[in-house]
Amino acid sequence: EAGVTQSPTHLIKTRGQQATLRCSPISGHTSVYWYQQALGLGLQFLLWYDEGEERNRGNFPPRFSGRQFPNYSSELNVNALELEDSALYLCASSLVGRTEAFFGQGTRLTVV
Amino acid sequence: AQTVTQSQPEMSVQEAETVTLSCTYDTSESDYYLFWYKQPPSRQMILVIRQEAYKQQNATENRFSVNFQKAAKSFSLKISDSQLGDAAMYFCAYRGKTGGGADGLTFGKGTHLIIQP
Repeated sequence: EAGVTQSPTHLIKTRGQQATLRCSPISGHTSVYWYQQALGLGLQFLLWYDEGEERNRGNFPPRFSGRQFPNYSSELNVNALELEDSALYLCASSLVGRTEAFFGQGTRLTVV
Repeated sequence: AQTVTQSQPEMSVQEAETVTLSCTYDTSESDYYLFWYKQPPSRQMILVIRQEAYKQQNATENRFSVNFQKAAKSFSLKISDSQLGDAAMYFCAYRGKTGGGADGLTFGKGTHLIIQP
């Protein structure tokens, strides 16, 4: 069974541009979580999608947004990129109501 | 808001020995979940062990066990017979039950575990 897959593995963008990160959950998982792992800040909760709806978001500005598609895959968009957005972005999936979350290998976003 | 604190930025242990990683947390909830995740250089977070707060018995998974002290809000991870493959960043994480996990996982800053051959 395939695990959580994220693409691309690495992404380099210029300040002010937009970045799009993608996540495919484990088959049958309907919940997708996004986390930001920035140097010195640790892992922070970004967004939670379930059944196609945004259920909750962490303390991030509106330029961090995303969506979940009918096949439960998800996309994270970061607009107007800032240098501080450079981080590893991790996606996790779980069955709704289950506590275990399974993570992908992340997308390393570098803003220059 | 919940907080998770890992006071050991780095730990080093000889191969085959036992090491304990510390974690404390703060919450006003009475029922919740606690986890230890491992992040090797490949970057993928791997679930090591989980504990449900209402269960008094400490969780165990092969060489990994926890010491869960609910009153002290402490959740340490013991790794027995350390192996080279255990070298990684270890994160302690909290998830509340309120709202069906809407706030996701709250992570500590991590402990870098080094295994000396």
